[in-house]
Amino acid sequence: DQQVKQNSPSLSVQEGRISILNCDYTNSMFDYFLWYKKYPAEGPTFLISISSIKDKNEDGRFTVFLNKSAKHLSLHIVPSQPGDSAVYFCAAHYYNQGGKLIFGQGTELSVKP
Amino acid sequence: DADVTQTPRNRITKTGKRIMLECSQTKGHDRMYWYRQDPGLGLRLIYYSFDVKDINKGEISDGYSVSRQAQAKFSLSLESAIPNQTALYFCATSDEGQGSTDTQYFGPGTRLTVL
Repeated sequence: DQQVKQNSPSLSVQEGRISILNCDYTNSMFDYFLWYKKYPAEGPTFLISISSIKDKNEDGRFTVFLNKSAKHLSLHIVPSQPGDSAVYFCAAHYYNQGGKLIFGQGTELSVKP
Repeated sequence: DADVTQTPRNRITKTGKRIMLECSQTKGHDRMYWYRQDPGLGLRLIYYSFDVKDINKGEISDGYSVSRQAQAKFSLSLESAIPNQTALYFCATSDEGQGSTDTQYFGPGTRLTVL
């Protein structure tokens, strides 16, 4: 049973516009969430995280929003740039289980010039 | 120099062969992980180790084994490879002292094909 779900396998956005990537989860014991970005032939790299006690975290062009009642989080990229084209993974951390993460399936973002 | 390295980067093998994938890190982290990535399934945890004497199964450990030879080295073995183990394999590390985020740092991946 997939505890972290990214229901959109792909997303295409025009350069300069907003990209919104979505993630749903089922386990209320997750205590924080992370987004990773992956380019082809490279490993995933950490992008941004949010604690379950927050509803928003912002870092430059990247903002993550958390809606605990809906068990939903989203990553906003504004403005989108062609270099943002990559696969984005949402991940969730179990409370009190060390460093274990549960990853979603990933969403491939394509930003067109 | 890369902080997390994986060897080999690509490997093609035949069904029934024994394969070892190696991971080394220079980050000084205690925690190391092995994942596999399959299209449409994301990253799934195979094994993880919180220190040299600690090995734990992840969600898909069947058909795999691991060895933590030192703090910096964590290897993944397929004792008898089968075609459905064809995937992209990633090693990752994290530092217990990172606070609440437990950010994981990934290697570049090993593309394994089992014929």
